[in-house]
Amino acid sequence: SQQGEEDPQALSIQEGENATMNCSYKTSINNLQWYRQNSGRGLVHLILIRSNEREKHSGRLRVTLDTSKKSSSLLITASRAADTASYFCATDRLGGLGTASKLTFGTGTRLQVTL
Amino acid sequence: KAGVTQTPRYLIKTRGQQVTLSCSPISGHRSVSWYQQTPGQGLQFLFEYFSETQRNKGNFPGRFSGRQFSNSRSEMNVSTLELGDSALYLCASSLKPGASEKLFFGSGTQLSVL
Repeated sequence: SQQGEEDPQALSIQEGENATMNCSYKTSINNLQWYRQNSGRGLVHLILIRSNEREKHSGRLRVTLDTSKKSSSLLITASRAADTASYFCATDRLGGLGTASKLTFGTGTRLQVTL
Repeated sequence: KAGVTQTPRYLIKTRGQQVTLSCSPISGHRSVSWYQQTPGQGLQFLFEYFSETQRNKGNFPGRFSGRQFSNSRSEMNVSTLELGDSALYLCASSLKPGASEKLFFGSGTQLSVL
């Protein structure tokens, strides 16, 4: 089952605008990661934010984490056509007593940036 | 440094056949994870290997199996293929095992079962 649910499922914006994607999850986590996937290709790691962090920046990316609401957001500023991709959040839900944790991906947001 | 390499890139099989997919991790990475991606179910965790040992396994039937070799290369096998096994199979490597690690993904193997 999916741990994370991204919202919206799809987003279409014009180049230069900001894009905001949200991720909600169900159980307590140690950290949350965001990945990008271009159509039919592998995923590329964007950023990791730990549960004791509230905000993190990387270039044009800004990620926030609200553990009380079990949610995270990814903001891409001044978007470009090359940002067109699917974006996934991933959390490390514990697998249970005696089992290793595993990274669980959300359902993804498809971002389309037009010229 | 070369990235994660998955072979083959595309594969077409028929129901009942078996298939083996290969993954070569980034040099120095000893942990390999496998994911299945479908439009309906999204990304589903299959298994994780570290130092030739399966460290974690997802909720997939026993038809799905894997292994890791001493050089950290990994293979996954699906026996008695079903139509529902059609998917993009992604391999990811990391320096260490665990869900707190940054994963480096290959381009995937697109499996079509007819």
